[in-house]
Amino acid sequence: QSALTQPASVSGSPGQSITISCTGTSSDIGGYNYVSWYQHHPGKAPKLMIYEVSNRPSGVSNRFSGSKSGNTASLTISGLQAEDEADYYCSSYRSGSTVLFGGGTKLTVL
Amino acid sequence: EAQLVESGGGLVQPGRSLRLSCAASGFTFDDYAMHWVRQAPGKGLEWVSGVSWNIGTIGYADSVKGRFTISRDNAKNSLYLQMNSLRAEDTALYYCVKDRNFGVVNVMDVWGQGTTVTVSS
Repeated sequence: QSALTQPASVSGSPGQSITISCTGTSSDIGGYNYVSWYQHHPGKAPKLMIYEVSNRPSGVSNRFSGSKSGNTASLTISGLQAEDEADYYCSSYRSGSTVLFGGGTKLTVL
Repeated sequence: EAQLVESGGGLVQPGRSLRLSCAASGFTFDDYAMHWVRQAPGKGLEWVSGVSWNIGTIGYADSVKGRFTISRDNAKNSLYLQMNSLRAEDTALYYCVKDRNFGVVNVMDVWGQGTTVTVSS
């Protein structure tokens, strides 16, 4: 079970938009619409930001959006704010009742 | 408010066993699948295991298959992780996590604060 592939880091200035990609295979991202994204501030519990590719839980800002094309999922954050600086992880259901996480992407707000 | 509280972590020698527990409150425990997710020092999140609401479906990461066993007691609103043959690479913060669904999917909407497991001689 190899981890999903994410860029190690991305950065952007306040107000800008950034996109984080997450690449898997046809056995995970490409085969199911169970892609989630989590925000993780060090020392705190991770927080669900997007589920089932593009759905936002109640309370999550609409500046966060998700999409998928083939074996690659994406998280877009628009109108970057300082509080968005965190680690972001993608996750996908995989065949065999297993779950994969990506390696994580550190977002820096310049 | 949904809450998960892990316990049972600690320092253990390689090859020994440890059992983690997770006490759930604030939601109908037996309606949802549950997971264990870990984070090794300086590393990313790693899914360890998941169990459906009725224990009908269980999954494990390849890294722990055959060594770890997940279980749940719906009458006690509790989730467990029995960890045998522990290795140094199992050293991590272990999170108990609730899924939004009854099956083992990956919509992890409630996380505990974690319990630390350190495997060292």
